[in-house]
Amino acid sequence: AQSVSQHNHHVILSEAASLELGCNYSYGGTVNLFWYVQYPGQHLQLLLKYFSGDPLVKGIKGFEAEFIKSKFSFNLRKPSVQWSDTAEYFCAVKKQTAGNKLTFGGGTRVLVKP
Amino acid sequence: DAGVTQSPTHLIKTRGQQVTLRCSPKSGHDTVSWYQQALGQGPQFIFQYYEEEERQRGNFPDRFSGHQFPNYSSELNVNALLLGDSALYLCASSLTDRVTGELFFGEGSRLTVL
Repeated sequence: AQSVSQHNHHVILSEAASLELGCNYSYGGTVNLFWYVQYPGQHLQLLLKYFSGDPLVKGIKGFEAEFIKSKFSFNLRKPSVQWSDTAEYFCAVKKQTAGNKLTFGGGTRVLVKP
Repeated sequence: DAGVTQSPTHLIKTRGQQVTLRCSPKSGHDTVSWYQQALGQGPQFIFQYYEEEERQRGNFPDRFSGHQFPNYSSELNVNALLLGDSALYLCASSLTDRVTGELFFGEGSRLTVL
């Protein structure tokens, strides 16, 4: 069965620090990849997505992610975080043939200290 | 432009009871998916509705059923509730004929089973 692993459950860092969240998936076929963010008390929102083309994807709020096919990874990065980046981050994978069914990782809670 | 709306936001039920959760998709969207998010975990796909039919189903028992109406809104029904059904239930909508498959999520219905 397809699975998505997020390596860190909790991350605590200070403002202006760099952030990298790991995501690995197990499916070997063609996939679409997503990062969603859930701010406290809000709904899941799309940060960025990869479908094809340039493996370095830029999203909203200064986030980017790199798809490395050989490593089945799609890591999320931000060079300098702000207190407002405190949230839970979810990696999700969709098989290209799977309609709109997303398989989510377990999430990473990020706390940015002011 | 209204996003995805869900009701109720919170509810408490006892074991063995039945519950119905409701979802109105984002304006213009014709596909609705339901996800279960247990505490501390990522969302898990329950099923997806398009053209008033269940198109895909995740690994959930038959106690979980749904319906989509002609106006694209949807209901999730859970029968014979178990303690383990306590979770946040998320509705997501999308436009089926778009290849990007981006999902827009509602804020969820938090179900507590006592």
